[in-house]
Amino acid sequence: DVKVTQSSRYLVKRTGEKVFLECVQDMDHENMFWYRQDPGLGLRLIYFSYDVKMKEKGDIPEGYSVSREKKERFSLILESASTNQTSMYLCASSSREALWGELFFGEGSRLTVL
Amino acid sequence: GQNIDQPTEMTATEGAIVQINCTYQTSGFNGLFWYQQHAGEAPTFLSYNVLDGLEEKGRFSSFLSRSKGYSYLLLKELQMKDSASYLCAANQAGTALIFGKGTTLSVSS
Repeated sequence: DVKVTQSSRYLVKRTGEKVFLECVQDMDHENMFWYRQDPGLGLRLIYFSYDVKMKEKGDIPEGYSVSREKKERFSLILESASTNQTSMYLCASSSREALWGELFFGEGSRLTVL
Repeated sequence: GQNIDQPTEMTATEGAIVQINCTYQTSGFNGLFWYQQHAGEAPTFLSYNVLDGLEEKGRFSSFLSRSKGYSYLLLKELQMKDSASYLCAANQAGTALIFGKGTTLSVSS
């Protein structure tokens, strides 16, 4: 069974803290993505990666960075968390060989920044 | 840039048919995808269209007109469990999927 696992379901952090959100997939997928989802705004793309050590900016990369040192792991980093980064963060992966638009999502990480 | 529009909310009754429309404006369009998301859960893939026409998958069908920048998702024989958000997403060549804001469908008995 395909699986995308996000390290934390719920996090509460303080303004200015550094936050790491981890995502691991076991499907040997080349492509990995980070989205955030907010009411009324839908899913917005933060960063994505097509290969190890590669990263591309999405629509809203400001305030975020990513790391992809291994194929199965894609980390989202908030260097200095702010209250407007309170959101649900969704990680996804897809195969370059199969249907590239079929994304497999993790369960999500709900981050609250106080 | 890209823009994807779909209605915010729709309501329907069990057993009915509902059509959720999606219009898109993208450069280098490469495919249109539909996802379903139940409340509190992650989105799951439903269907996709790359070429013009209708793709049928059980009770769900999806249609695409590339010339019009238009797609719809058709749900037949609605069931209560179809109450969910339906997300339209377009892929630009060389980039990731960009999602619309989603249509929340409420099915009542």
